[in-house]
Amino acid sequence: GDSVTQMEGPVTLSEEAFLTINCTYTATGYPSLFWYVQYPGEGLQLLLKATKADDKGSNKGFEATYRKETTSFHLEKGSVQVSDSAVYFCARTPNQAGTALIFGKGTTLSVSS
Amino acid sequence: NAGVTQTPKFQVLKTGQSMTLQCAQDMNHNSMYWYRQDPGMGLRLIYYSASEGTTDKGEVPNGYNVSRLNKREFSLRLESAAPSQTSVYFCATSRGVETEAFFGQGTRLTVV
Repeated sequence: GDSVTQMEGPVTLSEEAFLTINCTYTATGYPSLFWYVQYPGEGLQLLLKATKADDKGSNKGFEATYRKETTSFHLEKGSVQVSDSAVYFCARTPNQAGTALIFGKGTTLSVSS
Repeated sequence: NAGVTQTPKFQVLKTGQSMTLQCAQDMNHNSMYWYRQDPGMGLRLIYYSASEGTTDKGEVPNGYNVSRLNKREFSLRLESAAPSQTSVYFCATSRGVETEAFFGQGTRLTVV
């Protein structure tokens, strides 16, 4: 079935370091892809999205490119801040009509000053 | 514009008690969802409602029931709470299943 696989965390970085969080998805259908962010004690917020191959989603300095050939949607940021500490979830739309978004298990990012 | 509102935000139940988690959206979205979040498990879908008048089981429906009261409201009921249902519960909505979802702030439930 459809699935999303994220790199396991936690990821621990120093401020201003480069961030990559890997995400791969099962190659069924033509999904839209998303990154969500969850700050402590809050719900998930949409960070960025891409709806077709080669699209690049971007927001708040984060970027991810929809790579159909490698079935990947890796999240990157050139210079992380302490305020980026959160849990990041990769997600895809389902291949089967009438169901729900499929999420990865989440990657915890901790940034220290 | 509140978006997705969940009540209550926190709840402690005794084993065997029942309760209903409420979710309301003012985004005029068709689809609504209930997820639970547990450490190391990510988000797991409990039930969803693709449109008003329909509900379907997700990955972990046992021990739960839902009601899509109208387009705005989607409630989750625990008939006889168990410690294994201790979790954070999130309601989400979307225009359709092919679009992004918007989440509420969550309900933190502890069953003792």
